[in-house]
Amino acid sequence: KQEVTQIPAALSVPEGENLVLNCSFTDSAIYNLQWFRQDPGKGLTSLLLIQSSQREQTSGRLNASLDKSSGRSTLYIAASQPGDSATYLCAVEGGATNKLIFGTGTLLAVQP
Amino acid sequence: ETGVTQSPTHLIKTRGQQVTLRCSSQSGHNTVSWYQQALGQGPQFIFQYYREEENGRGNFPPRFSGLQFPNYSSELNVNALELDDSALYLCASSPGLAVETQYFGPGTRLLVL
Repeated sequence: KQEVTQIPAALSVPEGENLVLNCSFTDSAIYNLQWFRQDPGKGLTSLLLIQSSQREQTSGRLNASLDKSSGRSTLYIAASQPGDSATYLCAVEGGATNKLIFGTGTLLAVQP
Repeated sequence: ETGVTQSPTHLIKTRGQQVTLRCSSQSGHNTVSWYQQALGQGPQFIFQYYREEENGRGNFPPRFSGLQFPNYSSELNVNALELDDSALYLCASSPGLAVETQYFGPGTRLLVL
């Protein structure tokens, strides 16, 4: 059974700092991995999608890496801003259905 | 904006009641998935519908049921509500079953008293 874990559960950093969020999964047989952002009480916004054959994806100040063999992914946020404050969720897709298995998220607070 | 809408935004029910949540997907999106997100947790997969047929189900009891309609709308029905059903319910749509990005709606916040 696939399990997804995210560390740390919460993180508070001063504005401008670079930071790394971690995600690990137990079954390496995944189709892809996604990183999402969720603002309080809101739905999910997809940030980056990494296919199983890829090693990383970049979008602006965000860079996500994937190491399938070790069951790990990281989300790197450069030059953090208060607007980056949100919960960040990683999710893996595996199996015949378009089903995502989520971690419990990392709550990020960027202090001005 | 993802083009996926959900109604209502908030709902309060009492234990034992039944509830219907609605989702409107983007035109052409034949797949809709429903997720339950309890407070402080990640979303959990309830089930998926593809072209109006159930196409996979998570670890949820039969009192959770769904429907998908030809006009790209769908419903999640929950019977005999329990206190633990209190959560944010999210729907997500995608064009097909292939590996691709799902588009999530804003969710319906359900509180069961």
